[in-house]
Amino acid sequence: GENVEQHPSTLSVQEGDSAVIKCTYSDSASNYFPWYKQELGKRPQLIIDIRSNVGEKKDQRIAVTLNKTAKHFSLHITETQPEDSAVYFCAASMTSYGKLTFGQGTILTVHP
Amino acid sequence: GAVVSQHPSWVICKSGTSVKIECRSLDFQATTMFWYRQFPKQSLMLMATSNEGSKATYEQGVEKDKFLINHASLTLSTLTVTSAHPEDSSFYICSVPGVVGGELFFGEGSRLTVL
Repeated sequence: GENVEQHPSTLSVQEGDSAVIKCTYSDSASNYFPWYKQELGKRPQLIIDIRSNVGEKKDQRIAVTLNKTAKHFSLHITETQPEDSAVYFCAASMTSYGKLTFGQGTILTVHP
Repeated sequence: GAVVSQHPSWVICKSGTSVKIECRSLDFQATTMFWYRQFPKQSLMLMATSNEGSKATYEQGVEKDKFLINHASLTLSTLTVTSAHPEDSSFYICSVPGVVGGELFFGEGSRLTVL
């Protein structure tokens, strides 16, 4: 089955800096790669996703890049704000099957 | 996106008792739902795929007789933790796949504490 590795496990940045979280996946058949933000005790919230037919997607301060050949994808957050502090999870799936395999998570802390 | 409601949001029970968690898709019919478990400071691990009108598909290492899943209608799936023990204490989250393909919409989660 699919295996998703995520790094780093913790990331601490100053407000205004950029943050980058990286993930690799094992199954070349995976074609859908979402990123979720989870605040303590809450459900995961989808913040951005990318499908295998594109290499990059951007939504305001958040961008995701995908390298299918290398089987890795990354989340980029620019101009970080304290409210960006949360746990971020990457995931991968085959859209025809639907179930997501999650990475281990990254605890992002943005210091004011 | 889909609206998914999960109940109860938290439950405390004694060891040996059973607990039922409900997951409802409020705005569209779901033939498939996914049940995840999340231990503190860990990732979400898929437990099983709930299939409307048929048996659930369990992931490797998940005991089907301990975690009973019923998906009797297109809007409701239930997870029953039978004979719960302290090691079953966790955050259980259901999810419903969207119509676009791949995206998942999560319920609020149910925090189970077994004393």
